[in-house]
Amino acid sequence: NAGVTQTPKFQVLKTGQSMTLQCAQDMNHEYMSWYRQDPGMGLRLIHYSVGAGITDQGEVPNGYNVSRSTTEDFPLRLLSAAPSQTSVYFCASSYGGVNSGNTIYFGEGSWLTVV
Amino acid sequence: AQSVTQLDSHVSVSEGTPVLLRCNYSSSYSPSLFWYVQHPNKGLQLLLKYTSAATLVKGINGFEAEFKKSETSFHLTKPSAHMSDAAEYFCVVSPDNYGQNFVFGPGTRLSVLP
Repeated sequence: NAGVTQTPKFQVLKTGQSMTLQCAQDMNHEYMSWYRQDPGMGLRLIHYSVGAGITDQGEVPNGYNVSRSTTEDFPLRLLSAAPSQTSVYFCASSYGGVNSGNTIYFGEGSWLTVV
Repeated sequence: AQSVTQLDSHVSVSEGTPVLLRCNYSSSYSPSLFWYVQHPNKGLQLLLKYTSAATLVKGINGFEAEFKKSETSFHLTKPSAHMSDAAEYFCVVSPDNYGQNFVFGPGTRLSVLP
């Protein structure tokens, strides 16, 4: 029972480099999301998806791209890394739906440092 | 639209004393509500959830929360704090409608003093 799997766990990037954070879930969840967590700011939503082929922006989407070609995978791409993107990134998934009470499952997190 | 307020950014208690972490929400409907815990440098773990069944919800590690619709609150309690409870706690409300997202509170950091 893998749940939500994120890779890599740690990454150091140079300013201007691009990279992809991978996220996969094996629970057949409709909803998948990416959050970033910064000290004193809680979790902020970057992008989310309500199903394969459907994505939308969250609160802080600038500098990030996503795609959802399959139900299982939801990669997050940093196009040109900036020091302001140094953060901890969490992928999450759930069944979603109206007032469904469905639990959000989180990955273990990816610690990204941009120098 | 929903929102979540966690009234204390930091709570400090002594080991063996009660814990109270406060959460208030706003929602167009009777929402589902969750508490998550995050230990330092770790991911988020579900403590408990309310889904319109019993208003007093019991979770893991001795935590419980009571849903009070009249007060729009979902406070988290534990009768006796343990050192291992020191962590960040997040109150979360489910979407009102399909296509929306879960809304996180800003978090409350719990410190447990020996």
